Amino acid sequence: SAVISQKPSRDICQRGTSLTIQCQVDSQVTMMFWYRQQPGQSLTLIATANQGSEATYESGFVIDKFPISRPNLTFSTLTVSNMSPEDSSIYLCSVVLAIGYEQYFGPGTRLTVT
Amino acid sequence: TQLLEQSPQFLSIQEGENLTVYCNSSSVFSSLQWYRQEPGEGPVLLVTVVTGGEVKKLKRLTFQFGDARKDSSLHITAAQPGDTGLYLCAGDYDAGKSTFGDGTTLTVKP
Repeated sequence: SAVISQKPSRDICQRGTSLTIQCQVDSQVTMMFWYRQQPGQSLTLIATANQGSEATYESGFVIDKFPISRPNLTFSTLTVSNMSPEDSSIYLCSVVLAIGYEQYFGPGTRLTVT
Repeated sequence: TQLLEQSPQFLSIQEGENLTVYCNSSSVFSSLQWYRQEPGEGPVLLVTVVTGGEVKKLKRLTFQFGDARKDSSLHITAAQPGDTGLYLCAGDYDAGKSTFGDGTTLTVKP
């Protein structure tokens, strides 16, 4: 298994500003992902964070809005840029230890944009 | 993206009752996971099913993977208030990526 921490756990931000969310894992992992969970809804994959290269984004998500970094095998950041109230969600980091292994989630970051 | 449909979306029952949650797709998955999520927390993995027809038990929870690996069910026997939460199924489709069902919000009343 893996222990995942996220910072901040929650934040309230004004529209037009940006927030960077950090994800730290207690061991080296093969894959890291970022998900969004809007109020009362399920999880939607934003992107795969690739170590040392640009993230791979899912349909409907773009790098200018959600820039992602992954400088090593244990850490990643997601930035929510130029925020609007529609960005209010829980943002979750997840990891897969290796292909074919199970996925573990961080506790999430609850973002409210006013 | 492959879709997973979960039903029911909401379920409210009395303590001691049994329930079943369904997860269906037209796509085949290499594996399927069930998660439980409580408010303010990330999803916690309950089980992974890999083989068509597989049945796994976790105390009062029974998980089944369909023979064709397109659907799955979660059955809870004698539900307790501590079972309250959001139950999510997720299917692996591409190099570790998962697609999630819409979730089932379960409330067990004492």
